[in-house]
Amino acid sequence: DIQMTQSPSSLSASVGDRVTITCRASQSISNYLNWYQQTPGKAPKLLIYAASSLQSGVPSRFSGSGSGTDFTLTISSLQREDFATYYCQQSFTTPRTFGQGTKVEIK
Amino acid sequence: EVQLVESGGGLVQPGGSLRLSCAASGFTFSSYWMHWVRQAPGEGLVWVSRINSDGSSTSYADSVKGRFTLSRDNAKNTLYLQMNSLRAEDTAVYYCARQAEVTVQPLDVWGQGTTVTVSS
Repeated sequence: DIQMTQSPSSLSASVGDRVTITCRASQSISNYLNWYQQTPGKAPKLLIYAASSLQSGVPSRFSGSGSGTDFTLTISSLQREDFATYYCQQSFTTPRTFGQGTKVEIK
Repeated sequence: EVQLVESGGGLVQPGGSLRLSCAASGFTFSSYWMHWVRQAPGEGLVWVSRINSDGSSTSYADSVKGRFTLSRDNAKNTLYLQMNSLRAEDTAVYYCARQAEVTVQPLDVWGQGTTVTVSS
């Protein structure tokens, strides 16, 4: 199975900060990397697919990059509604493994 | 409106069975591959299973293989997850999700989840 490792596991940031989350795959997955946002008690929401494509309706302050094994999710200017947990997931092969999540908290 | 609504969760004893349903609306269900993802209390997301559009092909996580069966009824726009020989570690919120038809096929629509609790 492909292992997905996110870092950090959590971070504290302020409104307006630039935030970067990384995700590393245990083997090359090309650009088969997706990012999801989950707020407490809610279902996950697709933010970025194919490593860098913004899902329809998602604010442009979210961006993704990377290919192969190393990927990043960047929030250019953190807003209050962005405090949530973020997960990467590979869709290269089954099982479609997720990273362990990164919780973004208010500083 | 594109929507997925799960049902069928509840409290079940270890070794018991439960069938989850996921009702789809607002899109052509029969054209899409579908997945189940679960989340144990306080934990992260874990992929469980997927089924292709006509139901002829399924795939499972090792942790549920041989115990869970995924099926679908395209005439009823409904996805089913039959869960047998349930264990305490199966306790989780179970989400059904649609696999998008875009490149790399992410999960673009999710239901609200249904809670399964396995306990005596």
